[in-house]
Amino acid sequence: DVKVTQSSRYLVKRTGEKVFLECVQDMDHENMFWYRQDPGLGLRLIYFSYDVKMKEKGDIPEGYSVSREKKERFSLILESASTNQTSMYLCASSPGRTEKNIQYFGAGTRLSVL
Amino acid sequence: AQSVAQPEDQVNVAEGNPLTVKCTYSVSGNPYLFWYVQYPNRGLQFLLKYITGDNLVKGSYGFEAEFNKSQTSFHLKKPSALVSDSALYFCAVSGFSGGYNKLIFGAGTRLAVHP
Repeated sequence: DVKVTQSSRYLVKRTGEKVFLECVQDMDHENMFWYRQDPGLGLRLIYFSYDVKMKEKGDIPEGYSVSREKKERFSLILESASTNQTSMYLCASSPGRTEKNIQYFGAGTRLSVL
Repeated sequence: AQSVAQPEDQVNVAEGNPLTVKCTYSVSGNPYLFWYVQYPNRGLQFLLKYITGDNLVKGSYGFEAEFNKSQTSFHLKKPSALVSDSALYFCAVSGFSGGYNKLIFGAGTRLAVHP
């Protein structure tokens, strides 16, 4: 089974802190994604990566950056956390370059910024 | 632009009754459609997908979905609901945007199955 592991289930940070969210997948997938989930808005794509050291902006990249130094690991960085970044963050991975492929999700990180 | 609409925030069903969770989509070209489920405090799990072929797609946990091209719909169904089916359900459409594979999600529908 594909396993996507997010390093923290819950995080509480203060405004202005730099926050790192880590994601690791064990199936050698090319593609990795970061979403945020908010009630009534579904999932919105923040950033994605289709290869090591490659990254592409999603629909809501402002206030975030990412890093993919190894194929299995994709990190989301909040440079200076703000209260409006309080949310559930979901990481996903998928194989190949076709839109027919399933994305596999981690359990999520619930981030609270105080 | 590709989009997905889930018109119901919540669906309430009695255990043992059939359930339907609605989804409509807007996409240029061939639609690739997905349903995911999210149980409390968990990530999303894949249920089923439509790529091509039969309009009725069968998936995990007894769920199925019917693709209707003329109505641009992909409704999720189950003949007999279980209390354990209570969860948040997301419809998604996949396609290339900017040269890459992306999923566009609906806002989600919360399914509540009552004993």
